[in-house]
Amino acid sequence: EPEVTQTPSHQVTQMGQEVILRCVPISNHLYFYWYRQILGQKVEFLVSFYNNEISEKSEIFDDQFSVERPDGSNFTLKIRSTKLEDSAMYFCASSVLGHLTPYEQYFGPGTRLTVT
Amino acid sequence: AQSVTQLDSHVSVSEGTPVLLRCNYSSSYSPSLFWYVQHPNKGLQLLLKYTSAATLVKGINGFEAEFKKSETSFHLTKPSAHMSDAAEYFCVVSDEATNKLIFGTGTLLAVQP
Repeated sequence: EPEVTQTPSHQVTQMGQEVILRCVPISNHLYFYWYRQILGQKVEFLVSFYNNEISEKSEIFDDQFSVERPDGSNFTLKIRSTKLEDSAMYFCASSVLGHLTPYEQYFGPGTRLTVT
Repeated sequence: AQSVTQLDSHVSVSEGTPVLLRCNYSSSYSPSLFWYVQHPNKGLQLLLKYTSAATLVKGINGFEAEFKKSETSFHLTKPSAHMSDAAEYFCVVSDEATNKLIFGTGTLLAVQP
C-alpha cells in the first residue's frame, strides 16, 4: 500500500541553524501539507501546497518557513533560523484532491525536530 | 470558525469491553469529520470519515462513528476493545474553504488486559 514517507525521523539542531525536513508524498496525490505538533499540544496546520505554490498558510508559517517541491517527488519544509519553540513533531500529508473537496489526507510518520 | 472538542483526554477500558470516545464539533455548515489514530512512534492513520452521506460511518478495525447534527456530536465507538487499540485518537474537522484539517486535543485510549 502506498504511503507517505518522511526523513529524517529525528533531527537535532542548534538554535539559529537552518533545517530541511523531507517528505515523499503518495505518487498520484496533488495536494501536500505540513502540520506540526508541539509536545502536549494539538496538531496544527502549517501550510498547504498545490500546483507548485502555497494554497493556504497559517499564522505560524512566517518568513522563517518555506516549502518546495524541488524534483516532482520530494516535498520539503525549510526553517531558515530555528528557534527553541520550533521543537515539535512535523507531519507531512498528501491528498488526491483538496480545495472544496474533503478528500482524506494521508500522513507520514513525522519528523521529531529538537532545537537546543 | 470550525472546531472540535474531545471531551476526554484519557479513557481506560478492559479488553473485550466497549469503547466510546466522545467528540463534539462546531461548524457553521455541514462539516466533514474524521477520526485519526496515532500509535506510538507511528504516523496518523485515518480510521473513518463523514462527508454528509450516511450518518453512521464504519471504519477500519471495527470502529464506527455516528454523526448527530442535533447534538453536534461525532462519537467514536467499538463494541469490543482489543489490546492493539491502545493509541491516541484524534477527532478532526476539515475546513470547507481550504481543506486544512483542524484537530482536537486527542484522547489517549488505554486497554487493560
